[in-house]
Amino acid sequence: AQKVTQAQTEISVVEKEDVTLDCVYETRDTTYYLFWYKQPPSGELVFLIRRNSFDEQNEISGRYSWNFQKSTSSFNFTITASQVVDSAVYFCALVDGQGGKLIFGQGTELSVKP
Amino acid sequence: DAGVIQSPRHEVTEMGQEVTLRCKPISGHDYLFWYRQTMMRGLELLIYFNNNVPIDDSGMPEDRFSAKMPNASFSTLKIQPSEPRDSAVYFCASSSGTVNNQPQHFGDGTRLSIL
Repeated sequence: AQKVTQAQTEISVVEKEDVTLDCVYETRDTTYYLFWYKQPPSGELVFLIRRNSFDEQNEISGRYSWNFQKSTSSFNFTITASQVVDSAVYFCALVDGQGGKLIFGQGTELSVKP
Repeated sequence: DAGVIQSPRHEVTEMGQEVTLRCKPISGHDYLFWYRQTMMRGLELLIYFNNNVPIDDSGMPEDRFSAKMPNASFSTLKIQPSEPRDSAVYFCASSSGTVNNQPQHFGDGTRLSIL
């Protein structure tokens, strides 16, 4: 069965600190896709990044970076120099090669304090 | 470009009433998804469509729930009769191309409260 685990339920940091959100996934498929979504206090779900199982290159987008390691089935998300506007719930999700169903982790609530 | 549009944003109704949630996907997207978010169960897929045809409805909780997609630009999720345990945020999402490769873009959600 497919599963996504975000062990950190809540994280609190002070502005400008770096923070890493952990994501561990389980799947038996060799082809799969991983995603991160952000849910700010206003409630909408915002797509951040997609990564397929054949591309283990890490990615950086501004203050955001993602580390994909198939050997440990992890897809971690780091925010550098965090800002108050980064406060949100962050979801990691998995889609297998056959279907379109997003399997979400339980989310990590990040609170960035000024 | 317009995103996924859901209506209403909020719905409060009494137990036993029929509830209809509406969704307009992004133009050109051929996949449409309905998700439900609760504190207990998190985000879970209810059903998804490809080219207006339901592909996977295994997440629909019971017969009280039904979803339709009469055309490429409109979908409904109906609950009849509604129960307090149906209270949740319901999200609609759409995507284009290969269902597993392209990101799903979500609407703002409908916050449903059943009293």
